[in-house]
Amino acid sequence: AQSVTQLGSHVSVSEGALVLLRCNYSSSVPPYLFWYVQYPNQGLQLLLKYTSAATLVKGINGFEAEFKKSETSFHLTKPSAHMSDAAEYFCAVSDRGYQKVTFGIGTKLQVIP
Amino acid sequence: ETGVTQSPTHLIKTRGQQVTLRCSSQSGHNTVSWYQQALGQGPQFIFQYYREEENGRGNFPPRFSGLQFPNYSSELNVNALELDDSALYLCASSKETGGTYNEQFFGPGTRLTVL
Repeated sequence: AQSVTQLGSHVSVSEGALVLLRCNYSSSVPPYLFWYVQYPNQGLQLLLKYTSAATLVKGINGFEAEFKKSETSFHLTKPSAHMSDAAEYFCAVSDRGYQKVTFGIGTKLQVIP
Repeated sequence: ETGVTQSPTHLIKTRGQQVTLRCSSQSGHNTVSWYQQALGQGPQFIFQYYREEENGRGNFPPRFSGLQFPNYSSELNVNALELDDSALYLCASSKETGGTYNEQFFGPGTRLTVL
């Protein structure tokens, strides 16, 4: 069975501050891991993915995430928050197949001017 | 290149009714997955279709069914609607070539409200 846990359903940061969204995963096999962003009334957009290549993954809009097997973590970071980053972020895991992607409950990011 | 589209955007039904939601895959994609996203939750996998056959299913009852057509468009059908079926329904398409990861592209979703 696979699962993800996102710590913090709401995170607030000041504009220009570091963004850190936490995700821990559970998987019985080496996983694929993803971060998606969802803006209000829109579908999901892939930010970045880990598929067993480099453990530090760079995505769009300046986001990156590091796969740490020993900690079963895949935290999302961005050095400097922009107002446009305010959205909901979902961590997801797949057991190397695309048949089933399991999502976390999401973290709503608020950026304070 | 046209992205994934879904119709309708919003839908209101009453308990016990049946509903059909539609998805048009991105051009060239042969696989579609459907997800249910309840308010305040992450998307939950319903099922996936590949070349018109169901290719994996999540923990949803049989009253959730689907179809994929030769042009790779897809339908999600829900019978005997319950209040808890109120959610955003997302479809995602991908081009499966076997053996490697293929990114899923999501549509904007259909918001279903069951009264």
